Amino acid sequence: GAVVSQHPSWVICKSGTSVKIECRSLDFQATTMFWYRQFPKQSLMLMATSNEGSKATYEQGVEKDKFLINHASLTLSTLTVTSAHPEDSSFYICSARLTSVKGEQYFGPGTRLTVT
Amino acid sequence: LAKTTQPISMDSYEGQEVNITCSHNNIATNDYITWYQQFPSQGPRFIIQGYKTKVTNEVASLFIPADRKSSTLSLPRVSLSDTAVYYCLVGPPGGSYIPTFGRGTSLIVHP
Repeated sequence: GAVVSQHPSWVICKSGTSVKIECRSLDFQATTMFWYRQFPKQSLMLMATSNEGSKATYEQGVEKDKFLINHASLTLSTLTVTSAHPEDSSFYICSARLTSVKGEQYFGPGTRLTVT
Repeated sequence: LAKTTQPISMDSYEGQEVNITCSHNNIATNDYITWYQQFPSQGPRFIIQGYKTKVTNEVASLFIPADRKSSTLSLPRVSLSDTAVYYCLVGPPGGSYIPTFGRGTSLIVHP
């Protein structure tokens, strides 16, 4: 099946700094990518939908100025957590959707962010 | 979007067959049913997808009754490595569908 990668797989940063997470579709083009956040023992919570060449659509309650999403190409979307705080510590997962009739969705391995 | 309901947790033993049922009473005509598996600190992995009746692959089977208001994921002869959270998602293929996850079912397989 199609492969989605994320980089880095884990990152530790200090409060107030910014962190960028990359999501790449390795062997297919993805017009649409999704960003999720998952806290321990909880389900995935959709943060935003990222469409190539246009602005991301954020879910209610997600600060677009804090979580900057850029989808500059059909194989790369980035999530930048700006001015990170300890409460932003979480597991961030991206997914990419095939531009096909069924639009299958493939998930990245996730990025563990710890803000100290 | 069709809301889904699954048991929060299930326990089983190695070698047994496990059936996880998902209720989706307001499923739409063009909705598909997709199941994902997630291990701790990993992204979800696609298991199986179906529209009606029965679908089988090398990993699992998916049973969907005629009214499509529920579906059952069947895992034959589970092993310890099948311990994971299983999510049922319902929605149309592609297009503007935004996949959202419910609470999922935490399956624990015991020796």
